Amino acid sequence: DVKVTQSSRYLVKRTGEKVFLECVQDMDHENMFWYRQDPGLGLRLIYFSYDVKMKEKGDIPEGYSVSREKKERFSLILESASTNQTSMYLCASSSGTSLDEQFFGPGTRLTVL
Amino acid sequence: GESVGLHLPTLSVQEGDNSIINCAYSNSASDYFIWYKQESGKGPQFIIDIRSNMDKRQGQRVTVLLNKTVKHLSLQIAATQPGDSAVYFCAEGGGATNKLIFGTGTLLAVQP
Repeated sequence: DVKVTQSSRYLVKRTGEKVFLECVQDMDHENMFWYRQDPGLGLRLIYFSYDVKMKEKGDIPEGYSVSREKKERFSLILESASTNQTSMYLCASSSGTSLDEQFFGPGTRLTVL
Repeated sequence: GESVGLHLPTLSVQEGDNSIINCAYSNSASDYFIWYKQESGKGPQFIIDIRSNMDKRQGQRVTVLLNKTVKHLSLQIAATQPGDSAVYFCAEGGGATNKLIFGTGTLLAVQP
């Protein structure tokens, strides 16, 4: 079974802190994604990556950056956390084209105070 | 997550009944569609997908119907069980984009 793991289930940070969210997948997938999920808004794509060291902006990249140094790991970085970044963050991975089934991690609930 | 179910359309069904969850998609050029299930506190899980060259696809207890004329997608769950209680999302992809676009979801509440 594909397994996508995220470093934390719950995280509380203060405004202005630098925040790292880590995601690891164990199925040698080429594509990895970061979404945020907010009530009433569904899943919104922040960034995605289709290869090591490659990244593309999603629909809401502002305030975020990403890093993909190894194929299995995709990190989401909040350079200076703000309260409007309080959300559920979901990582996903897929093989082949971006349109293939995406496998999701359990999510990280981030609260920024 | 725990708060995903807030502000969502809700479908309430009796255990054993069939459920139909609907989704209107936005891009007539989309050619790939997926249904995901998200239980409280978990990430979304793949249920079933369908490509635009098909109108219907069946899985175990689930059927997806695609009506391209009106850009409508539905998920039918037969003999709904308490374990089916979750938020269900549709997603579309293809056309000019290589990304999936997710709907806001429907909360399915199964009454015993």
